[in-house]
Amino acid sequence: DSGVTQTPKHLITATGQRVTLRCSPRSGDLSVYWYQQSLDQGLQFLIQYYNGEERAKGNILERFSAQQFPDLHSELNLSSLELGDSALYFCASSVGLDQPQHFGDGTRLSIL
Amino acid sequence: EDKVVQSPLSLVVHEGDTVTLNCSYEVTNFRSLLWYKQEKKAPTFLFMLTSSGIEKKSGRLSSILDKKELFSILNITATQTGDSAVYLCAPSNRNAGNMLTFGGGTRLMVKP
Repeated sequence: DSGVTQTPKHLITATGQRVTLRCSPRSGDLSVYWYQQSLDQGLQFLIQYYNGEERAKGNILERFSAQQFPDLHSELNLSSLELGDSALYFCASSVGLDQPQHFGDGTRLSIL
Repeated sequence: EDKVVQSPLSLVVHEGDTVTLNCSYEVTNFRSLLWYKQEKKAPTFLFMLTSSGIEKKSGRLSSILDKKELFSILNITATQTGDSAVYLCAPSNRNAGNMLTFGGGTRLMVKP
């Protein structure tokens, strides 16, 4: 158990809908990262927050957004969902920018 | 664009064999290289390497980094069936919040 908690574990929804994925980092970790893992793309970095502020952005679609709250938990919002958004979404956290990232078990999103 | 290539793509060995997994990378503003083991769910952290030529060991696993030639290797000695997994390497980019760029992974299967 990495100590990173992601909810829900599974999410099934339809095209055009909006969902929110939640991540609680390990105790004491200030940095939160979101990654998407699909069969054809592998693990891809989406966005990073450090102590409530956005620090880096990857190839994140405009339909996706995220935030980190004062209690350091983070949410990833996905809107206008398309079939191609079906994937495993991982959250990772680290104490600081120079420390290893530890991953949660992911949220499996299925778009029907 | 940051790139990571892992080889071989897959490997089948028998218990007790020794394996070497390779990772070559091209990353702007390199900070460190991380190895992860992914079974069914979350990638599990194995090693973080920041300096060339210094071997890191954990039990039967060891890893080393060559920053001049831009590659890393992960060795597993006396393999066990529990080592069966996908092994991922991921260099980090210091100018992008320490984001990780993942390779496609090496799928290792250890037969009894």
